[in-house]
Amino acid sequence: AQSVTQPDIHITVSEGASLELRCNYSYGATPYLFWYVQSPGQGLQLLLKYFSGDTLVQGIKGFEAEFKRSQSSFNLRKPSVHWSDAAEYFCAVGNAGNNRKLIWGLGTSLAVNP
Amino acid sequence: ETGVTQTPRHLVMGMTNKKSLKCEQHLGHNAMYWYKQSAKKPLELMFVYNFKEQTENNSVPSRFSPECPNSSHLFLHLHTLQPEDSALYLCASSQEYDFSPDTQYFGPGTRLTVL
Repeated sequence: AQSVTQPDIHITVSEGASLELRCNYSYGATPYLFWYVQSPGQGLQLLLKYFSGDTLVQGIKGFEAEFKRSQSSFNLRKPSVHWSDAAEYFCAVGNAGNNRKLIWGLGTSLAVNP
Repeated sequence: ETGVTQTPRHLVMGMTNKKSLKCEQHLGHNAMYWYKQSAKKPLELMFVYNFKEQTENNSVPSRFSPECPNSSHLFLHLHTLQPEDSALYLCASSQEYDFSPDTQYFGPGTRLTVL
């Protein structure tokens, strides 16, 4: 069965430190990969997505993610975290055709220490 | 208004009440979605409408009844809910619900509490 795993439920980093949030998926075909962010009391906002092409994807707010097919991973990174990045981060995976519904991870809650 | 709006933002209802959630998108999209977000669970897709036609119903109980009068508006009618239906209900829209997954744009959600 298709699945998405975000191994880290909660991460705390210091402001200015680098960040990596992990996402692993189980999928039979080439996946469509998404990272969304949800700030408190808000809906989800797309950070970046990967469909094909260059495996290193740039997104908004200084985030990037790298698709590694051999590791079935799509990890999210940011070189220097800001306090406003504190939020919940969700990885989602979909496929073309009948499986185009997105499968969502449980999310990683990010706290940023001043 | 821009993006996707949802009203009300908070709703408390008894198990015998009838209420409706409203979603409106100002993005010119043709697909609209209802999701349920509960703690410690992945986001659950409930319904999808594409060009006003329901294309997905994820085995949602009949106490939830969606309505999509046009591509810009989506409603979720609620009746005889259970306490376990308490959650954040998110509306989203995308250009289309077609062959491949598309970027979805989310509203802020309605926080529903069922007493």
